Amino acid sequence: DTGVSQDPRHKITKRGQNVTFRCDPISEHNRLYWYRQTLGQGPEFLTYFQNEAQLEKSRLLSDRFSAERPKGSFSTLEIQRTEQGDSAMYLCASSATGVGYTFGSGTRLTVV
Amino acid sequence: EDQVTQSPEALRLQEGESSSLNCSYTVSGLRGLFWYRQDPGKGPEFLFTLYSAGEEKEKERLKATLTKKESFLHITAPKPEDSATYLCAVQAANSKLTFGKGITLSVRP
Repeated sequence: DTGVSQDPRHKITKRGQNVTFRCDPISEHNRLYWYRQTLGQGPEFLTYFQNEAQLEKSRLLSDRFSAERPKGSFSTLEIQRTEQGDSAMYLCASSATGVGYTFGSGTRLTVV
Repeated sequence: EDQVTQSPEALRLQEGESSSLNCSYTVSGLRGLFWYRQDPGKGPEFLFTLYSAGEEKEKERLKATLTKKESFLHITAPKPEDSATYLCAVQAANSKLTFGKGITLSVRP
């Protein structure tokens, strides 16, 4: 286990469909973060878990978004009733100490 | 609210032409300032963490410095493989990172 793994790498979905992304953090890291990045912008914070507890959520995370981290291991991010504005790169990161992260390669979502 | 501004937005250099990338920030209670490199279609790759004003870190052709309001990423004698987007981020006590928009660096052979 040498890094943060995200699946799938790419997802194309029709508007209105639900999608789910998975993130497997570095095994000894208890903190897990989700970020969203659109073209030409830096990553924006979505939500943060310490172990299985979701400790913070951004205002960007509308009611259509939900994230879970059962048992404090992998995490899923679900988007319901996708909209074209949801098209972005969804990045997962993990950290052992809370200072500095290791990012995964991201999931590129395209809503058509 | 924490803010990060990076300049210039884009930078084109000739191979071997040294330059600096700027990151200006405002944050309540800085825990760390981070530099990441991002290649197209990939996640950010960690480069440096700086914790306090006056600190400097180096890695190959890159050197990061920190003051109370700014950080610089100095690139000495860049090569084409240094072409990427360089992201600056600050971390406050609440653990989340606040990123700038990034600087796209192109190095011509």
